[in-house]
Amino acid sequence: DGGITQSPKYLFRKEGQNVTLSCEQNLNHDAMYWYRQDPGQGLRLIYYSQIVNDFQKGDIAEGYSVSREKKESFPLTVTSAQKNPTAFYLCASSISGAAMNTEAFFGQGTRLTVV
Amino acid sequence: AQSVAQPEDQVNVAEGNPLTVKCTYSVSGNPYLFWYVQYPNRGLQFLLKYITGDNLVKGSYGFEAEFNKSQTSFHLKKPSALVSDSALYFCAVRANTNAGKSTFGDGTTLTVKP
Repeated sequence: DGGITQSPKYLFRKEGQNVTLSCEQNLNHDAMYWYRQDPGQGLRLIYYSQIVNDFQKGDIAEGYSVSREKKESFPLTVTSAQKNPTAFYLCASSISGAAMNTEAFFGQGTRLTVV
Repeated sequence: AQSVAQPEDQVNVAEGNPLTVKCTYSVSGNPYLFWYVQYPNRGLQFLLKYITGDNLVKGSYGFEAEFNKSQTSFHLKKPSALVSDSALYFCAVRANTNAGKSTFGDGTTLTVKP
């Protein structure tokens, strides 16, 4: 089946730890995105990548880092510099970041909790 | 800057009645508009989109949306609501003037009661 796989579904982080959220897609999409979802605030863009080996900061990139070494993979690292990381994280992809008429396909999300 | 407003946090309708979830937008240039649905603890699923052409767009699960350029609106509609339509709905806009990034509204929770 084609789609986007996020893992793990639930993740717990201790204060001061870095954690990495996995996102893999087999849709052969060029563009990939990371969003953060907080209750009542909709989706906010953290990072996006329009092509392999290239990525751009979104609206709330501070405290996060990404890499795009392979077309299929776009992992997100939540660093200790992110002071309020508890949230639901969504990864998405689209055929092309430059094509405005293309919709996004989303993974099932990772719920990160600081303990 | 582009923006999306979903003025209602919550919409309640009875099963079998028509439903409307409202969305207004602000962009420079031509908008590309999308509706997504999210069930609890799941990712978003695409419902429909307006690119160009007919102002009435039909999508998945019997949903449709009407693009109104003069009112800068893109309201989601369904003639007869089902209990299973209960979910969180997001409107989103893309435009060439924002490097193709999507801007999402804050979401509207739709509750359909039997």
